[in-house]
Amino acid sequence: EVQLVQSGAEVKKPGESLKISCKSSGYSFTSYWIGWVRLVPGKGLEWMGIIYPGDSDTRYSPSFQGQVTISADKSISTAYLQWSSLKASDTAIYYCARLGSSTYRAALDIWGQGTMVTVSS
Amino acid sequence: EIVLTQSPGTLSLSPGERATLSCRASQSVSSYLAWYQQKPGQAPRLLIYGASSRATGIPDRFSGSGSGTDFTLTISRLEPEDFAVYYCQQYGSSPRTFGQGTKVEIK
Repeated sequence: EVQLVQSGAEVKKPGESLKISCKSSGYSFTSYWIGWVRLVPGKGLEWMGIIYPGDSDTRYSPSFQGQVTISADKSISTAYLQWSSLKASDTAIYYCARLGSSTYRAALDIWGQGTMVTVSS
Repeated sequence: EIVLTQSPGTLSLSPGERATLSCRASQSVSSYLAWYQQKPGQAPRLLIYGASSRATGIPDRFSGSGSGTDFTLTISRLEPEDFAVYYCQQYGSSPRTFGQGTKVEIK
């Protein structure tokens, strides 16, 4: 079964760092792009960026460029999203999702269960 | 950046009725348009890709149409499990963008 399993909920203080994970199974991790999507409670979905684990080609939405870092570890089939200094406005649910084709122009067919990140002093 | 505008914001319908959701792009995305369904506490689920192709396991009461800038998601007969929020997303241009969502609620 193809699946993405994300790390658990996090509660952090402003200024702290954080790295959340997305572990894939059931398919060739290095052959499909993985994207990250933010859902702010009461708002809609926002596209953050995407990585191709095969060569670590990474592309960010301008809204998130410089705010987060997307990475991947091929050896353990896991993608990551990290912050060096969290803000209260980073409070949201974060989803990883796989593109449904090895090509770049594809929809997100498999989603992780989401990771809730709460940033509060 | 391509802006996707979904309408209406909320659709109030009864089970068995037909739902028609719209997604308009600020510039052409060809057929690189997907629709997702999201229920409270759940991850989004892919319904439609390529503007009109149903994803694996999606019932045929869901259909998508359109190309260029105007797209429609139709649910032919609403089932109780279809009441949710629906998002369109374009993947024809970087960065990919989502519409703001349409909530389909029980009337």
